[in-house]
Amino acid sequence: KAGVTQTPRYLIKTRGQQVTLSCSPISGHRSVSWYQQTPGQGLQFLFEYFSETQRNKGNFPGRFSGRQFSNSRSEMNVSTLELGDSALYLCASSLTGGHTEAFFGQGTRLTVV
Amino acid sequence: EDQVTQSPEALRLQEGESSSLNCSYTVSGLRGLFWYRQDPGKGPEFLFTLYSAGEEKEKERLKATLTKKESFLHITAPKPEDSATYLCAVQANTGNQFYFGTGTSLTVIP
Repeated sequence: KAGVTQTPRYLIKTRGQQVTLSCSPISGHRSVSWYQQTPGQGLQFLFEYFSETQRNKGNFPGRFSGRQFSNSRSEMNVSTLELGDSALYLCASSLTGGHTEAFFGQGTRLTVV
Repeated sequence: EDQVTQSPEALRLQEGESSSLNCSYTVSGLRGLFWYRQDPGKGPEFLFTLYSAGEEKEKERLKATLTKKESFLHITAPKPEDSATYLCAVQANTGNQFYFGTGTSLTVIP
């Protein structure tokens, strides 16, 4: 059974640019959540999508957005990148998002210069 | 406010020296408490889910327990390959997001 796949694994962008990250969940999983991980803050919740709808949202600015497609694949977009957006972005998939385990991808390491 | 605190931040053990990691939480109605292991440069790997006080789960040298306010991850006779960061997360009854602690970095010395 294939795991959660995130692409790309590494990304270097310049301040002010935008970026799109992709996440393919485990087959059959309908919930996809995104997290930002930094050394100082740990894992912080960005948002969760379920059946193409955003179901929960964390405390991040509107520059962070996402979407989910009918095949449950999800994308996350960050516009007007700032140096502080440099982080490991993790995607987690679960069957329903509630009361079930979440399985994480390897993450996308974003560096903003 | 829902919150998760893990202690200690870092722990160094000799191979075979058993110990426990702590995860204390405040949440408005616990749906589940989750333990993950994270190796450098990788995503967290799921270990256990605990749902109610008194519950225990075991896997190889790891045993997780849950009370109404905290969870412990007991590591018995650890080996160097157990070295990793161990993350604790809780999920509240309201909403589906996970609240993560900042983790305990475990180093097991041969």
